[in-house]
Amino acid sequence: ETGVTQSPTHLIKTRGQQVTLRCSSQSGHNTVSWYQQALGQGPQFIFQYYREEENGRGNFPPRFSGLQFPNYSSELNVNALELDDSALYLCAGGLAGVTGELFFGEGSRLTVL
Amino acid sequence: EDQVTQSPEALRLQEGESSSLNCSYTVSGLRGLFWYRQDPGKGPEFLFTLYSAGEEKEKERLKATLTKKESFLHITAPKPEDSATYLCAVQGGGATNKLIFGTGTLLAVQP
Repeated sequence: ETGVTQSPTHLIKTRGQQVTLRCSSQSGHNTVSWYQQALGQGPQFIFQYYREEENGRGNFPPRFSGLQFPNYSSELNVNALELDDSALYLCAGGLAGVTGELFFGEGSRLTVL
Repeated sequence: EDQVTQSPEALRLQEGESSSLNCSYTVSGLRGLFWYRQDPGKGPEFLFTLYSAGEEKEKERLKATLTKKESFLHITAPKPEDSATYLCAVQGGGATNKLIFGTGTLLAVQP
């Protein structure tokens, strides 16, 4: 039990649509990170939020955006969906300034047709 | 550029047959090296953190070791329930807790 829950677990969208994925983290986590994991690959860092602001981003275009809320929940928004956006999207909770493990949710499986 | 390479890509063992998984890395200012286990369709489950060369950690049939260039995950007398993908990740310098993952080793343990 990691204390990180994600919704929805599965969803299907068509190319060009927009999607919002949600994550709820336990109160002990003050950072939230999002990762994209394509089939057969390791997770790729999208961005991290701390104190409701983005404080780091990987090699993802601006159509990937996020929010972190005071209640430790978070959203990942992806606009203008492309076929290559099909992946497992993982949310992870952690502690800023502390070297330590990240606690992952079960993920949201997005399929873009 | 920070990078993690895992080998082999896939490994099939008989129950009780011990082996090792390799993770080689290049990173600026290693803050930690992490091993995760991932079951199909699930999120990664934390196993170990190693912080400096020479460090070792153990958990049941798993033992992780770290050198300046690589880490090994040793599996002793594996059981079918150890079947999963094992992911290695490093955390380097910077303001975030960003993890750089390898592509994983898919382990299958046959009874």
